[in-house]
Amino acid sequence: GQQLNQSPQSMFIQEGEDVSMNCTSSSIFNTWLWYKQDPGEGPVLLIALYKAGELTSNGRLTAQFGITRKDSFLNISASIPSDVGIYFCAGRSNTGKLIFGQGTTLQVKP
Amino acid sequence: ETGVTQSPTHLIKTRGQQVTLRCSSQSGHNTVSWYQQALGQGPQFIFQYYREEENGRGNFPPRFSGLQFPNYSSELNVNALELDDSALYLCASSGQLEAGNEQFFGPGTRLTVL
Repeated sequence: GQQLNQSPQSMFIQEGEDVSMNCTSSSIFNTWLWYKQDPGEGPVLLIALYKAGELTSNGRLTAQFGITRKDSFLNISASIPSDVGIYFCAGRSNTGKLIFGQGTTLQVKP
Repeated sequence: ETGVTQSPTHLIKTRGQQVTLRCSSQSGHNTVSWYQQALGQGPQFIFQYYREEENGRGNFPPRFSGLQFPNYSSELNVNALELDDSALYLCASSGQLEAGNEQFFGPGTRLTVL
């Protein structure tokens, strides 16, 4: 199935460090979304982006909608142990269908 | 406000059997989407229901079918199960299909096909 190209695949960082992950697509999207998924749970929406160039923050999380509408990035500042999980980017088509990336697994060492 | 709920939590079936998974949408949501998430992968869109009609389908064979009921709850049915159908099946609900009405996911049903 169609997926976005998300990188890095995994990250192992020290508590307090900043984290950056990104997502690229060959297709244009009108909406970019970032989700976090914990073990045994469904994805939880972190940030939604609706306009090219838009930069949006949610606490220590900041995400941007790329100018070309084919990419997005997510930054996490001053990571803490509860940031551990799998982060997914998703592009939303006009029909509401979400196309997901493969996920970035984040591990934080206290 | 009740979130998205799914049942059962876990299910084990054998190849060739049929399975029905259930989803109750979040209060006020009229759109339900189903996704398949294989181990180590992102969710893959199966189909979406809006006002009891299928409203978009991903690249899944016809043995994957669904229903949406007047109360907006939904079922996913899979016939003639194959080993590769083993996955986490996620249901997501949302309001009217427009910017700002994003999808909220349930915890999923873990299906194992032996």
